[in-house]
Amino acid sequence: QVQLVESGAEVKKPGASVKVSCKASGYTFTDYFVHWVRRAPGQGLEWMGCVNPYSGATNYAQKFRGRVTMTRDTSISTTYMELSSLRSDDTAVYYCARELGVVVAARKFDYWGQGTLVTVSS
Amino acid sequence: QTVVTQEPSLTVSPGGTVTLTCGSSTGAFTSVHYPNWFQQKPGQAPRALIYSTSNKHSWTPARFSGSLLGGKAALTLSGVQPEDEAEYYCLVYYDGAWVFGGGTKLTVL
Repeated sequence: QVQLVESGAEVKKPGASVKVSCKASGYTFTDYFVHWVRRAPGQGLEWMGCVNPYSGATNYAQKFRGRVTMTRDTSISTTYMELSSLRSDDTAVYYCARELGVVVAARKFDYWGQGTLVTVSS
Repeated sequence: QTVVTQEPSLTVSPGGTVTLTCGSSTGAFTSVHYPNWFQQKPGQAPRALIYSTSNKHSWTPARFSGSLLGGKAALTLSGVQPEDEAEYYCLVYYDGAWVFGGGTKLTVL
């Protein structure tokens, strides 16, 4: 069965970086984009960007350009999201989600990871 | 970048019908914006309901349907159940990026 399993909760100080992983199983890893979405306390869902696991190409939301890096390791079917220069308002649950679209432009989001809580506090 | 707007909150009675909408600050949404809809309950990850305007996932209950109405993406729940109380988010593809709406908190009362 399809699963996206994220790494565990993190506590970071302002100015630090965090790297969250998302391990995929149960499907062909390179057929689906992997997106990263966050939800801060009291806020709604926010799209951060995505990575094409086949090519490694990325597409970042304008708000996060220069601060976010999304990568993948095809040998272990895992994608990573690294966010730098952390601020207190980066405290949020970070989710990965897959989209069918690498081979055919279905624009179909389906499975999500369980979420990773990142807390930024001094 | 476009701002995607949703009703902040809606209330519906059990068994009733409600339509949630998803609009743009810069123009009408069409099928090329590939609206997706998600349900999120407290403490849970979002769950996908609809993709590309009106297509259901295998797990999407039949009472949920997606459409375009008057230039907006729409999610209609017919025969609402108590377990449908949740937040609902639309996600659209606009100018090469994906944008979430602000979400609608649906209360079943």
